[in-house]
Amino acid sequence: QKEVEQNSGPLSVPEGAIASLNCTYSDRGSQSFFWYRQYSGKSPELIMSIYSNGDKEDGRFTAQLNKASQYVSLLIRDSQPSDSATYLCAVNLYNFNKFYFGSGTKLNVKP
Amino acid sequence: EPEVTQTPSHQVTQMGQEVILRCVPISNHLYFYWYRQILGQKVEFLVSFYNNEISEKSEIFDDQFSVERPDGSNFTLKIRSTKLEDSAMYFCASSEARVNEQFFGPGTRLTVL
Repeated sequence: QKEVEQNSGPLSVPEGAIASLNCTYSDRGSQSFFWYRQYSGKSPELIMSIYSNGDKEDGRFTAQLNKASQYVSLLIRDSQPSDSATYLCAVNLYNFNKFYFGSGTKLNVKP
Repeated sequence: EPEVTQTPSHQVTQMGQEVILRCVPISNHLYFYWYRQILGQKVEFLVSFYNNEISEKSEIFDDQFSVERPDGSNFTLKIRSTKLEDSAMYFCASSEARVNEQFFGPGTRLTVL
């Protein structure tokens, strides 16, 4: 069973703070990693992808990958109320053409 | 900006009826996917499609389900003899390449009565 685990939250942070979202995965064959944002009743919206160990920054978002620890995280700097959503971690295994999704972490950014 | 589109946005059907959910992937994408999300649960993979054939399918994707690319733009999911437990949001996604980012459509909410 390929597992992608996320803390369901809710994670509450004040506006302007850094939000840290974490994801662990069980299969060492995992090759590529993605963070999606999902507002209630809407579809997943791609935020970032990361394929190699280390950090990747895009605007206020930083994805961090540690394959040895089977851990991927997303940092959101200067959090805004509009960032309040559920954040989904998705993992793609080598040689498989599909994503495994975590259950998501609900983020609340309080004004 | 190119996007994945899906129709209808909401489909209500009676148990035992057949439904067809339609998707138009992003035009230069080659890989197509269907996922579903039961209310309050995680997004679950159903099937992936490339070069006019299924490349992966999950345990959920049994004989009740089928996919088709009837022309150069549409990608459809057919559910035969719907069951109450098929009620969910169904998302279509597409990607340029095999392990690349997948872009999701807005979804079709299927309600089986």
